[in-house]
Amino acid sequence: GAVVSQHPSWVICKSGTSVKIECRSLDFQATTMFWYRQFPKQSLMLMATSNEGSKATYEQGVEKDKFLINHASLTLSTLTVTSAHPEDSSFYICSAPGPNTEAFFGQGTRLTVV
Amino acid sequence: AQTVTQSQPEMSVQEAETVTLSCTYDTSENNYYLFWYKQPPSRQMILVIRQEAYKQQNATENRFSVNFQKAAKSFSLKISDSQLGDTAMYFCAFMKPPYGQNFVFGPGTRLSVLP
Repeated sequence: GAVVSQHPSWVICKSGTSVKIECRSLDFQATTMFWYRQFPKQSLMLMATSNEGSKATYEQGVEKDKFLINHASLTLSTLTVTSAHPEDSSFYICSAPGPNTEAFFGQGTRLTVV
Repeated sequence: AQTVTQSQPEMSVQEAETVTLSCTYDTSENNYYLFWYKQPPSRQMILVIRQEAYKQQNATENRFSVNFQKAAKSFSLKISDSQLGDTAMYFCAFMKPPYGQNFVFGPGTRLSVLP
């Protein structure tokens, strides 16, 4: 079945630095990918829609200058958390639409900003 | 905007018994898709079952089945013969057409299967 690979699975960074998270579709092309954020014991909240070859679409309240999204190819989308602060610590998950309306999710990235 | 509600934050069930998780949603769309996803402690999201709104027949996948009531906007998940490996967070999700849209997730139900 279709697989989405997300890397890294966890990262610890210092406050003020930037962190890049990659999301790859391994055996299918994804013109669209979605980035979600999940706080502890809560649901997934859509942050932005990544579109191959064009600008990402951000949800209301999400700072596009802090969460930079690049979808440079049909198999790769990246989320860069710029100038990270402790409040950016969270679990980030990407997904891509599958061929039968379902979504395939990456393994998630646990970001801790110290 | 679509909303998804799961009224049971936590549930528990004895191994081998049956449990039903509730989900209601609100939409003005007539055609859409509903899903149940499972998130075990590994936090990998796993598709449990999917239902197309235009289909009247309830979807089933082995021990998992749904009760889809379109008029009531209800989409409950029944797990039969519960197994310890079913312990997880369960999210009800809504997707509107066209194909490839994002999901709207409910708040989740934490299910514990007890030995």
